[in-house]
Amino acid sequence: GAVVSQHPSWVICKSGTSVKIECRSLDFQATTMFWYRQFPKQSLMLMATSNEGSKATYEQGVEKDKFLINHASLTLSTLTVTSAHPEDSSFYICSARGLAGSEQFFGPGTRLTVL
Amino acid sequence: AQSVSQHNHHVILSEAASLELGCNYSYGGTVNLFWYVQYPGQHLQLLLKYFSGDPLVKGIKGFEAEFIKSKFSFNLRKPSVQWSDTAEYFCAVNKPNFGNEKLTFGTGTRLTIIP
Repeated sequence: GAVVSQHPSWVICKSGTSVKIECRSLDFQATTMFWYRQFPKQSLMLMATSNEGSKATYEQGVEKDKFLINHASLTLSTLTVTSAHPEDSSFYICSARGLAGSEQFFGPGTRLTVL
Repeated sequence: AQSVSQHNHHVILSEAASLELGCNYSYGGTVNLFWYVQYPGQHLQLLLKYFSGDPLVKGIKGFEAEFIKSKFSFNLRKPSVQWSDTAEYFCAVNKPNFGNEKLTFGTGTRLTIIP
């Protein structure tokens, strides 16, 4: 299957700082990328869907000004957690998809810890 | 809103035992159904999927799942598990919608295989 990478794999930051997480499709062009959040022992919750070159569509309850998503190219999407707080600590996972209706490929995730 | 239920949170089996993990969804219309696996320390991988046709779907590594529309179920099965099947298993659903197939995940089932 296709490969999706995330960077960094884990990050620790101080409360109030911003953190950027990158999601890259390494061997295919991702027209759509999805960002998920996974709490310990819970399921993946979709945060937002981003299509290359357009604004992300956020799920209900997700603050778009706090979780900034940019999908500027067909191989890269970024999630920036602005003014992070301890409650933002979580596992963030991205997935990428080529053509509409095709399989989503998942990245390995990024563990964010906010002190 | 659609939801996915996985009632087995943690299943422990001995090698060679048969496996069945339950998955029920709430959405009444046409759905696509998926099972994903997450091995320890690895990213989510697609095990199998159902879009239409034969309700008995065969996936990788000897897994299969049966779509029973009347029961809104898509249970995962394997006749004889191996120690290497130890992982977290997620059932997921989306609604066919050209260009915007958002996945809704269940809470996951942790499978532990005892050698």
